[in-house]
Amino acid sequence: ETGVTQSPTHLIKTRGQQVTLRCSSQSGHNTVSWYQQALGQGPQFIFQYYREEENGRGNFPPRFSGLQFPNYSSELNVNALELDDSALYLCASSRRDRTDTQYFGPGTRLTVL
Amino acid sequence: AQRVTQPEKLLSVFKGAPVELKCNYSYSGSPELFWYVQYSRQRLQLLLRHISRESIKGFTADLNKGETSFHLKKPFAQEEDSAMYYCALERGSGAGSYQLTFGKGTKLSVIP
Repeated sequence: ETGVTQSPTHLIKTRGQQVTLRCSSQSGHNTVSWYQQALGQGPQFIFQYYREEENGRGNFPPRFSGLQFPNYSSELNVNALELDDSALYLCASSRRDRTDTQYFGPGTRLTVL
Repeated sequence: AQRVTQPEKLLSVFKGAPVELKCNYSYSGSPELFWYVQYSRQRLQLLLRHISRESIKGFTADLNKGETSFHLKKPFAQEEDSAMYYCALERGSGAGSYQLTFGKGTKLSVIP
């Protein structure tokens, strides 16, 4: 069974730029959630994707957007980067079943200068 | 809106001593509660969830709806328990998404 993978591991961008982060879900999982973890904080829910559509969103502005592909992998896009976007971005995959658990990837560390 | 509070940022205990990591929540519905753990240089992973009522690595947690708490306990701490622990609450939104709300985490340090 292949676990959740994310790429890249680290990324440095400048303010105003755009970034795309990628996530491959665990085998057998059809739902992907994205979380932002700022330094010293717990992960914060950004949004979830199921059947290639956004299915639930946290308190994040529209410049945070995503995609899910037919193979259930996913992308997180952030436009017009701000300094406060510097964080660890976590992807979690699960089955479409509330009794299932969300399995997390290792994260992408984004630094905005 | 739901909220998860972990009052201790850092908890230090001696090896063999009991451990209790506190978690309180606020949520108007019926919560699904979890403890996640992150060991050094590893990814976030599920430790236990209240619905399964399991004991994992000697840890247990009981949901107390009256006190809105889900404290994590272990009778005898081991050095390998040193890690970051996050309490999380899962709710289903109207659209059917199951999003986790996390506390800020407690760093457990077990002193040899």
